[in-house]
Amino acid sequence: SQKIEQNSEALNIQEGKTATLTCNYTNYSPAYLQWYRQDPGRGPVFLLLIRENEKEKRKERLKVTFDTTLKQSLFHITASQPADSATYLCALDWDSGYALNFGKGTSLLVTP
Amino acid sequence: NAGVTQTPKFQVLKTGQSMTLQCAQDMNHEYMSWYRQDPGMGLRLIHYSVGAGITDQGEVPNGYNVSRSTTEDFPLRLLSAAPSQTSVYFCASSYSGTYKDAYFGPGTRLTVL
Repeated sequence: SQKIEQNSEALNIQEGKTATLTCNYTNYSPAYLQWYRQDPGRGPVFLLLIRENEKEKRKERLKVTFDTTLKQSLFHITASQPADSATYLCALDWDSGYALNFGKGTSLLVTP
Repeated sequence: NAGVTQTPKFQVLKTGQSMTLQCAQDMNHEYMSWYRQDPGMGLRLIHYSVGAGITDQGEVPNGYNVSRSTTEDFPLRLLSAAPSQTSVYFCASSYSGTYKDAYFGPGTRLTVL
């Protein structure tokens, strides 16, 4: 069965450092991969989408890499801030992209 | 645009009661879906729709019904609520084009006693 794995342990880092979150998947040949942010009590918010033919994508302080050989995506937040503290979710397509299949998310805590 | 709206925000039901969770979007998105989120389980897909009149099951469809009579609305029905359906429910919508990013509603927190 298709599986998406994210580190279940919370990631604690100091303000200003780079946070790196990992998403691994099995039994998928995804055309793209997405990252979302979720704050407590709120719905997920889309951050970035990277396609299978893209190795890297950037948006402001965010960078995503996609290695289809390793079946892995890395999500980086550079110069992290306490406001970046949230849960970050990795998502792949469900049934040819009609919906999404999510990993369980990784909680990030950035301390001053 | 209001985006994706969900009502109610909170609901408490007794076992065996029925109710409908409402979801509406004003972005003319063709794709809509329902997820439930439980601690330690992440977001799991319940049902989804690719357009008016077309629905399909996701990972955890048992105990839930959906219909899609208009592009805007995608209600989720619990016919006989069970304590195992206590969860936070999110509705999402997206375009059918090459950008698959989804827009989520604020969620409904449901407790079944």
